[in-house]
Amino acid sequence: QQQVKQSPQSLIVQKGGISIINCAYENTAFDYFPWYQQFPGKGPALLIAIRPDVSEKKEGRFTISFNKSAKQFSLHIMDSQPGDSATYFCAASLISSGSARQLTFGSGTQLTVLP
Amino acid sequence: NAGVMQNPRHLVRRRGQEARLRCSPMKGHSHVYWYRQLPEEGLKFMVYLQKENIIDESGMPKERFSAEFPKEGPSILRIQQVVRGDSAAYFCASSPRTGVPIEQYFGPGTRLTVT
Repeated sequence: QQQVKQSPQSLIVQKGGISIINCAYENTAFDYFPWYQQFPGKGPALLIAIRPDVSEKKEGRFTISFNKSAKQFSLHIMDSQPGDSATYFCAASLISSGSARQLTFGSGTQLTVLP
Repeated sequence: NAGVMQNPRHLVRRRGQEARLRCSPMKGHSHVYWYRQLPEEGLKFMVYLQKENIIDESGMPKERFSAEFPKEGPSILRIQQVVRGDSAAYFCASSPRTGVPIEQYFGPGTRLTVT
């Protein structure tokens, strides 16, 4: 019930291409879905997040698409750049809960953008 | 405005020793979360604390692990009698007391190696 499944495990994209990472969740009570970017040796950095009351959120080159009925959400990186090469994690949380605010993370996608 | 601070960044312990990991949350943040990341895996929730209170420790191993967030000073994750399987990166995140959504900001992590 608490799992978040992420795919693909690794992704190679040419510079300027679109990177797409998918996640699926099981717990319908989740109400907050952030994406984190992690560079080697660093902590995860919050990239973009969405609540289930909207189907899409865009910030610059990053877009989250959310499908509540399918319990799926995805990250699209437009015009991918070599500097985007990192590991990306999707996550889900119950922010409306007073005690269960922990993030449940996907297993990560290692993105490589070729110059 | 300094981010989440963790120290030490790297810690080497022999089997059977104790490991103490420290986390200072962002200024104005009173909620702290600890996560563990094994190599090539996503982050796993361990414990959620507020000042002087453990709110949720459902992800903590039953033995050898403990956490505290005192009224003054950093949050501390303590691992007693470490074993090789404890080798991992331990990340601390903090969030503000109010505001929706409750965004979590991560520190750089402590990389524990048990020899």
